[in-house]
Amino acid sequence: GENVEQHPSTLSVQEGDSAVIKCTYSDSASNYFPWYKQELGKGPQLIIDIRSNVGEKKDQRIAVTLNKTAKHFSLHITETQPEDSAVYFCAAADDYKLSFGAGTTVTVRA
Amino acid sequence: EAGVAQSPRYKIIEKRQSVAFWCNPISGHATLYWYQQILGQGPKLLIQFQNNGVVDDSQLPKDRFSAERLKGVDSTLKIQPAKLEDSAVYLCASSPTEGSLAYTFGSGTRLTVV
Repeated sequence: GENVEQHPSTLSVQEGDSAVIKCTYSDSASNYFPWYKQELGKGPQLIIDIRSNVGEKKDQRIAVTLNKTAKHFSLHITETQPEDSAVYFCAAADDYKLSFGAGTTVTVRA
Repeated sequence: EAGVAQSPRYKIIEKRQSVAFWCNPISGHATLYWYQQILGQGPKLLIQFQNNGVVDDSQLPKDRFSAERLKGVDSTLKIQPAKLEDSAVYLCASSPTEGSLAYTFGSGTRLTVV
């Protein structure tokens, strides 16, 4: 089955700086790579996703890059704000099944 | 649209007791998932339903866990008997159709087994 590794496990950044989270996956059949944000006491919420036929995708301050050859993808958050503090999960999927990374706790210092 | 509803929000039980969780997916969503999220880890799929049929239950510990989705709408997940290692958040998610990865998650039920 798919194995997704996520780094770092914790990340502390100064407000206004950028944050980068990296994930690697094992199954070359995976073709969908979403990122979820989970706030305390809530379920994961999809923030951005990318498919295997695209190398990069942006949505305002958030961007995701994918390197299929190396089997890794990354989440970039620019101009971080206090409300970006949360746990972020990457995931990889083949046709229907999502496999999640272990999560990154991001803390934005004011 | 209303989100995925789960209850209860919290549950504390003793080991060897039984417990049940309930999920009401987004109206019209055919596919329903139960995930287990142990503290400090990512969610792990337990079971996937398409309407009221099971698509994937390969990760469900069937000696103690069971799930059903009668009438293809609400779903219940049961643990009997519970073990200490079952302490986790149980997340329900739904998506519009089989093969759609546009998941919407509920807020989860936090289970503590003592």
